[in-house]
Amino acid sequence: QVQLVQSGAEVKKPGASVKVSCKASGYTFTSYGISWVRQAPGQGLEWMGWISAYNGNTNYAQKLQGRVTMTTDTSTSTAYMELRSLRSDDTAVYYCARDRAYYDILTGYSISFDYWGQGTLVTVSS
Amino acid sequence: QSVLTQPPSASGTPGQRVTISCSGSSSNIGSNTVNWYQQLPGTAPKLLIYSNNQRPSGVPDRFSGSKSGTSASLAISGLQSEDEADYYCAAWDDSLNAVVFGGGTKLTVL
Repeated sequence: QVQLVQSGAEVKKPGASVKVSCKASGYTFTSYGISWVRQAPGQGLEWMGWISAYNGNTNYAQKLQGRVTMTTDTSTSTAYMELRSLRSDDTAVYYCARDRAYYDILTGYSISFDYWGQGTLVTVSS
Repeated sequence: QSVLTQPPSASGTPGQRVTISCSGSSSNIGSNTVNWYQQLPGTAPKLLIYSNNQRPSGVPDRFSGSKSGTSASLAISGLQSEDEADYYCAAWDDSLNAVVFGGGTKLTVL
């Protein structure tokens, strides 16, 4: 069965960096992308970006450009998300999700997240 | 402020039918498909509806989705207590080159 298992909770000081891992199993890793989504306490979902596990292509949310890097290690079927220059408003639960995307000329883009990791709480506090 | 607009709350009694709306624009819902996610308290989101109206394997047929123009809706029939959760709509936005989410709707089963 498809599983995404994320690394454990982190506590960081403002200005530091954090790197969250997401180990995939139960499917061919390189056949799908991985998206990262975060959720601040009591708030909604925010898409952070996407990486192709096939060729490493990325697409980051504009507000995080320059601070976020997503990578994959196909030898271990693991995706990583690194966020730098952390601020207090980066405190959130960070999720990885398997990204199922396709394009149809009639219906446009269909990008859905069909399996999710359990989430990693990142707390930024001095 | 979310790009897609959902009502913050909805409610219904067991057995009732409830709908949750999601309003967008021509650059997102108007030109791409809509997905819905269910998030039970303290858990990761779960894909509920994809491509406007498709249910993943295992999702009960009490859940249905529809789309018209720049709006979409999620309908839940035969409401059950375990349906109490937050529900989010999402779509690709051609202008932002990003996936955008609604702000979420908290469903209460009275």
